[in-house]
Parts: sequence; C-alpha cells; structure tokens
Amino acid sequence: EAQVTQNPRYLITVTGKKLTVTCSQNMNHEYMSWYRQDPGLGLRQIYYSMNVEVTDKGDVPEGYKVSRKEKRNFPLILESPSPNQTSLYFCASSLFAGGGAKNIQYFGAGTRLSVL
Amino acid sequence: QQQVKQSPQSLIVQKGGISIINCAYENTAFDYFPWYQQFPGKGPALLIAIRPDVSEKKEGRFTISFNKSAKQFSLHIMDSQPGDSATYFCAASVSGTYKYIFGTGTRLKVLA
Repeated sequence: EAQVTQNPRYLITVTGKKLTVTCSQNMNHEYMSWYRQDPGLGLRQIYYSMNVEVTDKGDVPEGYKVSRKEKRNFPLILESPSPNQTSLYFCASSLFAGGGAKNIQYFGAGTRLSVL
Repeated sequence: QQQVKQSPQSLIVQKGGISIINCAYENTAFDYFPWYQQFPGKGPALLIAIRPDVSEKKEGRFTISFNKSAKQFSLHIMDSQPGDSATYFCAASVSGTYKYIFGTGTRLKVLA
C-alpha cells in the first residue's frame, strides 16, 4: 500500500528539548515536504526536498531543520522547540513537482506536537 | 504576492445543494491549482486540480472554475452530500518547484 508514514502521531515535550519527527514514504518519490497546520492559517510549508541531499526553505522554516540522506526518509528536527511550534505537522511526498495529470501529493496522517 | 486568499471560512449547505468555495491569488507565476479535502484526524488528500490553460475542469460532482484574468478559482460541489463534510483547502504552485502556498481552509458542513 502506497503511504507516507509519520512518527510519532502525538508528542508532548518541553521548551528546549530537541526532538525529531520521522517521515518515510514507500513510493520512491523524488519530492518530499513538511507542513504545519494551524487554525485559521491553513497549511504552511516549512521545508521541502527535491531529491537526496537537496532541500530548500518553505514559508516558515525558522526553528526547524531537515535532512534528506535517503530517498525514502525526510525527518523534521526541532533543535530547541518553543511553545509557538505547537502545531499539527504533516509530511507529504510526490513523484513530480508542480502540475501534471498524474502528479499527486500524498500526505501522512499528521503529528500533533505540544511544546510546554 | 505569495498569498492565496480563501473564502468563506465556513459553509453550511443542505443535502443536494451546491457548495461553492472561492480562492484568489496574486502571483502570476502560479500555474498549478489543486484542491485538497481533509477529514478530521486525517491528512489532506488531493481532490481535483487545474492548470490555467483551461477555464473549467470537472470530475464527478466536483468542478473547478478558473478565471485567469481575475486571478481567481473556485470549487463547486454539486449535489452536496453529508459525506462531503470536511475541510477544503485550495493551493497554488509553480511548475518545476515543489513550493506550495495553501489557502486558509473552508470547513464545509452538509446537513442531512
């Protein structure tokens, strides 16, 4: 089954304690991305990756790090989490970028993070 | 320049009615406009998408209307059903990039 898997699904942590949210896809997709979803703000792109070792900033990259050492994995790292990073996070992947009849961006089920 | 403005924020429609959600953009470099559907506790899922070289795209009960000169596009859900109750997001992207800008979402409730 084609899927994007995020772990953990729920996470409560304290300010300043480094954490990593993992993301893995089994579709051999080139493109992967992280989003955060906040009420009234919709989805905002944090970082994206076009291939192994190729990443770029989205609209809200401050306070986050990513790495793409393998094609299937794209972890999101919060080096020093703060309460304003409390949010619902989604990982996504696509075979292609931009428009195309068969281009589908698949999303994971989400990780709900609370930073106290 | 990078915003995609979505309205309304919430929408209540009777079963069998038409649901209409609107989006507007400023950046003329955008050339791919997908709509996503999200159910509670789930990630967004691609519903339908359009490129600016066509003015309308229809898939089943879902239709995107696109007005390039006005820089607006909208989602029409015909014969709305209670199972369509979800949050809908419009988005915009530039081909060849993986950069997406999303609207703020519309929470649709279809009454049985």
